[in-house]
Amino acid sequence: AQKITQTQPGMFVQEKEAVTLDCTYDTSDPSYGLFWYKQPSSGEMIFLIYQGSYDQQNATEGRYSLNFQKARKSANLVISASQLGDSAMYFCAMREGSGGSARQLTFGSGTQLTVLP
Amino acid sequence: EPEVTQTPSHQVTQMGQEVILRCVPISNHLYFYWYRQILGQKVEFLVSFYNNEISEKSEIFDDQFSVERPDGSNFTLKIRSTKLEDSAMYFCASTRGHTDTQYFGPGTRLTVL
Repeated sequence: AQKITQTQPGMFVQEKEAVTLDCTYDTSDPSYGLFWYKQPSSGEMIFLIYQGSYDQQNATEGRYSLNFQKARKSANLVISASQLGDSAMYFCAMREGSGGSARQLTFGSGTQLTVLP
Repeated sequence: EPEVTQTPSHQVTQMGQEVILRCVPISNHLYFYWYRQILGQKVEFLVSFYNNEISEKSEIFDDQFSVERPDGSNFTLKIRSTKLEDSAMYFCASTRGHTDTQYFGPGTRLTVL
């Protein structure tokens, strides 16, 4: 089974509108972290936002917020007031566990967001 | 703001040749990672490294691969005998604590001919 599922290969949004990128996850570990990264066409991976499994409130970072629904195992990224520079690939990723050694990230397949002028 | 750096940005090599990809993690970070992304595909974990030894490795990280922290700043990935299917973007990442956010370098695009 896929650990991270992003069901939207591509999304379009009008400039200044809000957009939601979907992410569902699968883990039996009670302690985990969920991350969103942005990958522009230049290729680098830019960290956007983090949500811990025990966090009571949804994470927010500027125009980014994470709609965390633990019972549904979803962690959707909401981008408000889209800008042309938001056009990029967006990856959801999960880190499982909290103890022991360095913890790898498992990535979803990504959503290509295009912001239209 | 401190950042992870990687060199070279692009490496072209012949099949069967050895390549070394270099990374300089953020200076106070203790945990280091390599990931790869084949063109158009998802990012895949290769290996994590802490306290001068490998913490975890994936099935991809076979005997052709090795990692090293030769000094206090560099973290390298060596591919001993490259194959065509090793062509990918290779990302280095680092964290201060093992559950902290991983910050990625800009990547090295490896092309094997």
